[in-house]
Amino acid sequence: EVQLLESGGGLVQPGGSLRLSCATSGFTFRSYAMSWVRQAPGKGLEWVSGMSSGGGSTYYADSVKGRFTISRDNSKNMLYLQMDSLRAEDTAVYYCAKRAVTEYYFDSWGQGTLVTVSS
Amino acid sequence: DIVMTQSPDSLAVSLGERATINCKSSQSILSSSNNKNFLAWYQQKPGQPPKLLIYWASTRESGVPDRFSGSGSGTDFTLTISSLQAEDVAIYYCQQYYNTPLTFGGGTKVEIK
Repeated sequence: EVQLLESGGGLVQPGGSLRLSCATSGFTFRSYAMSWVRQAPGKGLEWVSGMSSGGGSTYYADSVKGRFTISRDNSKNMLYLQMDSLRAEDTAVYYCAKRAVTEYYFDSWGQGTLVTVSS
Repeated sequence: DIVMTQSPDSLAVSLGERATINCKSSQSILSSSNNKNFLAWYQQKPGQPPKLLIYWASTRESGVPDRFSGSGSGTDFTLTISSLQAEDVAIYYCQQYYNTPLTFGGGTKVEIK
């Protein structure tokens, strides 16, 4: 059974930093591209960032480009999101999502971790 | 960026009746290389992450009840719940994966009338 477990969320002041982690199991992590998707309170889904299976390619939404960095450790089956220069509008539940085999739809999601940016 | 527009924002349907949700993309998401539409549908229940229902616009994910079906091509797509059950109360989202940035529709909330 595929399992994705996010951690690292919390309350941070504007301008601060946070690092999210996603621990995975139940599938061959190194073979799959992964993404982060967020959902602001009471709002819809917003794709944030994606990374190829080997880590050689990364993709970002314009809203986070230059502030967020996605990375992965295939030896530990872990996905990360380093978030810097955080803004109030980054407040959201952040989901780790596993891409399907060949295309960028998401067949498994974690439960999410809440990031609150507030003074 | 490809903008995904869903309608209606919400709908209330009686148990056992049909629910229809529309999704329109700002440009065609039909690939000429494989003749497939790069469109997925998700269901999100309160307090839960999204769950994949349909991909390639009409292919049902394993384990998804056959009362859920997807149709459409090019820029106009539809998710149909043929006979609404109580457990189908949720918000439904469409997503294009034709190119990055990946984009989602704004969601359609389905309730029981």
